[in-house]
Amino acid sequence: GQQLNQSPQSMFIQEGEDVSMNCTSSSIFNTWLWYKQDPGEGPVLLIALYKAGELTSNGRLTAQFGITRKDSFLNISASIPSDVGIYFCAGQLGSGGSNYKLTFGKGTLLTVNP
Amino acid sequence: KAGVTQTPRYLIKTRGQQVTLSCSPISGHRSVSWYQQTPGQGLQFLFEYFSETQRNKGNFPGRFSGRQFSNSRSEMNVSTLELGDSALYLCASSTGTSGETQYFGPGTRLLVL
Repeated sequence: GQQLNQSPQSMFIQEGEDVSMNCTSSSIFNTWLWYKQDPGEGPVLLIALYKAGELTSNGRLTAQFGITRKDSFLNISASIPSDVGIYFCAGQLGSGGSNYKLTFGKGTLLTVNP
Repeated sequence: KAGVTQTPRYLIKTRGQQVTLSCSPISGHRSVSWYQQTPGQGLQFLFEYFSETQRNKGNFPGRFSGRQFSNSRSEMNVSTLELGDSALYLCASSTGTSGETQYFGPGTRLLVL
């Protein structure tokens, strides 16, 4: 099935550093979402983006919906040990009908060294 | 408000058996989607139910099926299990209306021996 290209695959950083990850797609999406997944748990929604060009923050997290609608990035500032986990981007064409499903990237594994 | 709940959390089956997983969405949510997560393929969409009707379907074989009840609870069934069906099965709920995002449950970890 269709996949998003998410990079990097993994990151190992020091506590306090900033982190950036991104997703690109060959086709457009009308909604971009960023989730975090801890081991043995389901993904937890971090940020939802609904409009091209939109820049949204949630605490130390900032995400942007690319102008072309084919990409999005997530930044984490001043990382802390509890930021450890796998971060997923997801795109959605729209709601209703066949466009409702989420298409996920492969994830970015973040490790934070205290 | 309680989150999405899934039962059971862990399951071990053998090849050829069938399995039924259950998902209770957030109160007031009418849409339930199911995803399969494996290390190799990542998160892949199985199907979505809205108001007891399958509204979307992914590219999985007919052995994977689901249903939704009038209280929005959903079940998915996998028949004739194969080793490759070992995965984390996640359900996500939303209101099902325009612009609403999906919230995930903790998943059911299925191991097929």
